[in-house]
Amino acid sequence: AQTVTQSQPEMSVQEAETVTLSCTYDTSENNYYLFWYKQPPSRQMILVIRQEAYKQQNATENRFSVNFQKAAKSFSLKISDSQLGDTAMYFCAFILISGGGADGLTFGKGTHLIIQP
Amino acid sequence: NAGVMQNPRHLVRRRGQEARLRCSPMKGHSHVYWYRQLPEEGLKFMVYLQKENIIDESGMPKERFSAEFPKEGPSILRIQQVVRGDSAAYFCASSNLGAGELFFGEGSRLTVL
Repeated sequence: AQTVTQSQPEMSVQEAETVTLSCTYDTSENNYYLFWYKQPPSRQMILVIRQEAYKQQNATENRFSVNFQKAAKSFSLKISDSQLGDTAMYFCAFILISGGGADGLTFGKGTHLIIQP
Repeated sequence: NAGVMQNPRHLVRRRGQEARLRCSPMKGHSHVYWYRQLPEEGLKFMVYLQKENIIDESGMPKERFSAEFPKEGPSILRIQQVVRGDSAAYFCASSNLGAGELFFGEGSRLTVL
């Protein structure tokens, strides 16, 4: 079974600072995707960024980037120039891509990120 | 709106009643997943369905919970004889085979009085 661990229940930074959210996962498989989802107070799940395990290059989406260390099974999210609208719960998620189709996502317990003005 | 549609957004039930939650996947998606989110926790996988088939229901409680995804119409998550512990947000997600990305609906919040 796959597991995803987020060791920071809550983080708080000042607006415009850079913050890094950590995530580790455990799997014996080689073919999978990793995601960071954002859940603002509206509770909608919004995809922030995605990384294919076979790609060595770290994914980047504007102010969001990841540090993917496959051997260490680590997948941290860096948010640069943080904004008040970044305040949300952030969930790290893992999905195994099997030959017969995609299985469900496994989520971490989340990190509550608070951006202070 | 071509996204994943869930309804109702909010549902209140008394203990012992039935709750039905609906999910219409994104256009062209034939894979549907249901997740439950308890307060202060991440999402927990419940069931994975394709049209007319349950592929993986390893996360579903053995009793009172059922899910279907008929040939026509939305996917339904049904909870019979609800109890207070069923109060949670229930999220539906859909995918296109091989895409590796799930698209989520806005969730249905069930409150059991």
